[in-house]
Amino acid sequence: QVQLQESGPGLVKPSETLSLTCTVSGGSMRGYWWNWVRHPPGKGLEWIGSIGPTGRTDYNPSLKSRLTISVDISKNQFSLKLTSVTAEDTAIYYCARDPPATGSSEFDQWGQGSLVTISS
Amino acid sequence: DIQMTQSPSSLSASVGGRVTITCRASQNINNHLHWYQQKPGKAPNLLISSASILQSGVPSRFSGSGSGTDFSLTINNLQPEDSAIYYCQQGHSSPLTFGGGAKVEIK
Repeated sequence: QVQLQESGPGLVKPSETLSLTCTVSGGSMRGYWWNWVRHPPGKGLEWIGSIGPTGRTDYNPSLKSRLTISVDISKNQFSLKLTSVTAEDTAIYYCARDPPATGSSEFDQWGQGSLVTISS
Repeated sequence: DIQMTQSPSSLSASVGGRVTITCRASQNINNHLHWYQQKPGKAPNLLISSASILQSGVPSRFSGSGSGTDFSLTINNLQPEDSAIYYCQQGHSSPLTFGGGAKVEIK
């Protein structure tokens, strides 16, 4: 059974860069799309973006100018960098897997989530 | 962006009862609609994919239906462990979007 685990700082200062890594264990990363989803306090779930098998990325336009998602297959990891953060970026950040060949995009495996607070 | 509207936002029912949550998309998404259950402090869990495909390990009291713009999630024989927030998500086109959630409480 594949497992995903987020890691990174829990506190980031305003205007700085939020960086998170998702480590995938128990299975291969090849052939899947890998996603980031966040859940701000008191709000709904928001899809951040994804990276695919060839390294192609797909970003939410609302975050695109500040966002980079990358992958390191050799380490079984993918990462998120969000620049110029504000308090609005405070959220639980999840990494999630999108299985291939379903004709749709859904998230069948999730990490446990990582709370990131933006505060000075 | 495709907007996903869930209703009701909260509901309660007794053990053994039935609840239905609806999800409406702002445009045709065929059957690219997925349902998740989220319990406090946990990540969302995929219950139903492509509108009606029950995921492995999910009890058969959960069912989904719909296509196009209107979808529903039904829970029959409600159990105490079904107390959670349920989200729909469209997987038709980017950016992927979620509904606002429906909180199910057990009386």
